[in-house]
Amino acid sequence: GAVVSQHPSRVICKSGTSVKIECRSLDFQATTMFWYRQFPKKSLMLMATSNEGSKATYEQGVEKDKFLINHASLTLSTLTVTSAHPEDSSFYICSARSPGAAGNTIYFGEGSWLTVV
Amino acid sequence: SQKIEQNSEALNIQEGKTATLTCNYTNYSPAYLQWYRQDPGRGPVFLLLIRENEKEKRKERLKVTFDTTLKQSLFHITASQPADSATYLCALAGSTLGRLYFGRGTQLTVWP
Repeated sequence: GAVVSQHPSRVICKSGTSVKIECRSLDFQATTMFWYRQFPKKSLMLMATSNEGSKATYEQGVEKDKFLINHASLTLSTLTVTSAHPEDSSFYICSARSPGAAGNTIYFGEGSWLTVV
Repeated sequence: SQKIEQNSEALNIQEGKTATLTCNYTNYSPAYLQWYRQDPGRGPVFLLLIRENEKEKRKERLKVTFDTTLKQSLFHITASQPADSATYLCALAGSTLGRLYFGRGTQLTVWP
């Protein structure tokens, strides 16, 4: 079945540095991917919609200059957390929509734990 | 903005019983409502999708109902098993399926 892969699964970075998280659709093409963040025991919060070949659409309150999204190909979207701070530490999850016989299905990646120290 | 409430943060039931989870929403008219399972430290796994014009959907031991008048969905797991223990998330989507708005989830524990 369709699989969405995220890398890295865990990353620790120093405050002030940037970190990139990759989201790949392994066996289907995804013109649209979505990025979420989740704090412990909290809901997933939609951050942005990543569109292949065009600019991402950010949800209200999400800083586009802080969270850079690039969707360079039909199978890869990247999220770069720039000038990371400890409050950016969170679980970041991507998803992709796969068209299929039963209609569109959303597949989520396994998530990436970011710890900023 | 939309508000999604899963009114039980935790639910504990005995194996073999039916678990019923509730999702209520306001300030939104979703085209789709979905239920996901999330295990600790993992991404959500899709379980069921129900459309706004559907009342009920079943898949094996799972059943979802959708009442757009009450703005409520019920998620049932029949003959529950300890392996069903996880957090279950309700998610709403508009016509752009994929832009999902999640509830906080209900942590289900099924004890033997």
